[in-house]
Amino acid sequence: KTQVEQSPQSLVVRQGENCVLQCNYSVTPDNHLRWFKQDTGKGLVSLTVLVHENDKTSNGRYSATLDKDAKHSTLHITATLLDDTATYICVVGDRGSALGRLHFGAGTQLIVIP
Amino acid sequence: DMKVTQMPRYLIKRMGENVLLECGQDMSHETMYWYRQDPGLGLQLIYISYDVDSNSEGDIPKGYRVSRKKREHFSLILDSAKTNQTSVYFCASSPRDNSNSDYTFGSGTRLLVI
Repeated sequence: KTQVEQSPQSLVVRQGENCVLQCNYSVTPDNHLRWFKQDTGKGLVSLTVLVHENDKTSNGRYSATLDKDAKHSTLHITATLLDDTATYICVVGDRGSALGRLHFGAGTQLIVIP
Repeated sequence: DMKVTQMPRYLIKRMGENVLLECGQDMSHETMYWYRQDPGLGLQLIYISYDVDSNSEGDIPKGYRVSRKKREHFSLILDSAKTNQTSVYFCASSPRDNSNSDYTFGSGTRLLVI
């Protein structure tokens, strides 16, 4: 059973618009949550990591929130650029050590059009 | 620049042939991973290695084996490749004490088994 669900599955926005990506999970324990960006044919690049209950992070035009009670995270991208076209993957780690496992969502495919 | 390097980037093999995927990292990370990524699914863990000659099965180890003779190098071997092993394979590494949930991913190897 999938333990990390992302929505929407795909999203098309115009350059300059804002967008919000959702991640719901059932992983227990939930030590941390990380958002990755994956360009087509490339590896995963970390955008941000959230660790604590009600964490909020900001990395340039990317900002993220985590609600551990609801087991829910959002990734906000403001003023999208064409280079934001990619798949965004939500990953939940169940421990803060190498003994932990990562649980991957299937990703949201974002397409930014001119 | 700290990174995980995968070779080759692309590979085509016939069913029944042996396949060797190689991964190297320059961060002295103790822990290394092999994942596969298929359309519509999150990354799935094939094997994890905690250090030299200390390997454990992940969630989908059947049809695969690994080798780790040096800390910086982790190989994935497919003995007698099958068409359902066509996928994108990612290697990753992390420090043993991963309280910062620090994971570094390679760019992937696209394997086509015909």
